[in-house]
Amino acid sequence: DTAVSQTPKYLVTQMGNDKSIKCEQNLGHDTMYWYKQDSKKFLKIMFSYNNKELIINETVPNRFSPKSPDKAHLNLHINSLELGDSAVYFCASSQGFRGSGTGELFFGEGSRLTVL
Amino acid sequence: SQQGEEDPQALSIQEGENATMNCSYKTSINNLQWYRQNSGRGLVHLILIRSNEREKHSGRLRVTLDTSKKNSSLLITASRAADTASYFCAMTQGAQKLVFGQGTRLTINP
Repeated sequence: DTAVSQTPKYLVTQMGNDKSIKCEQNLGHDTMYWYKQDSKKFLKIMFSYNNKELIINETVPNRFSPKSPDKAHLNLHINSLELGDSAVYFCASSQGFRGSGTGELFFGEGSRLTVL
Repeated sequence: SQQGEEDPQALSIQEGENATMNCSYKTSINNLQWYRQNSGRGLVHLILIRSNEREKHSGRLRVTLDTSKKNSSLLITASRAADTASYFCAMTQGAQKLVFGQGTRLTINP
């Protein structure tokens, strides 16, 4: 059983299009995340949801809109795609780690987005 | 913002040798974690060390944490070809935010 699954794995699209990436976790975790990994492997947090509530929203363009229909799902919709959006997007989940910061994150396999 | 700086950025060693990677950070942390990423895959958690711990072991992995120097190291002993991957340190910033370093790319030569 895949713990954190995200689809699609690969996405190739034209500039200006709108696309979505879906993520589901079957670990029963309360918190889910979206990270962006650029070509230099730098991982940057974008969003975090806890029990469907947005708790982290980094300086991400408004074209990126996360949506969490329930605590097991966190989708990412991107409007008006730009060349600079090309990256690998990772979904992750964690149970949290009260009083001691963030616990272990479980990552999906990534969704490679290429904008032409 | 808090972000780990890893050193070296790339490391190439012979199979059987030990590999050491370092991570430095700037502000106080609750815990520090190490992750591995194989090429084209997601990140996999290796070890979490709390701010009040100094050393932790897991199999061939040994992690140290020096909060006075704001530095952590990951040692992989008796390396194997399968250890070839990128290794990331990550630290908590606030209650629910894990911030990653840029990673060390480790290559184990047979």
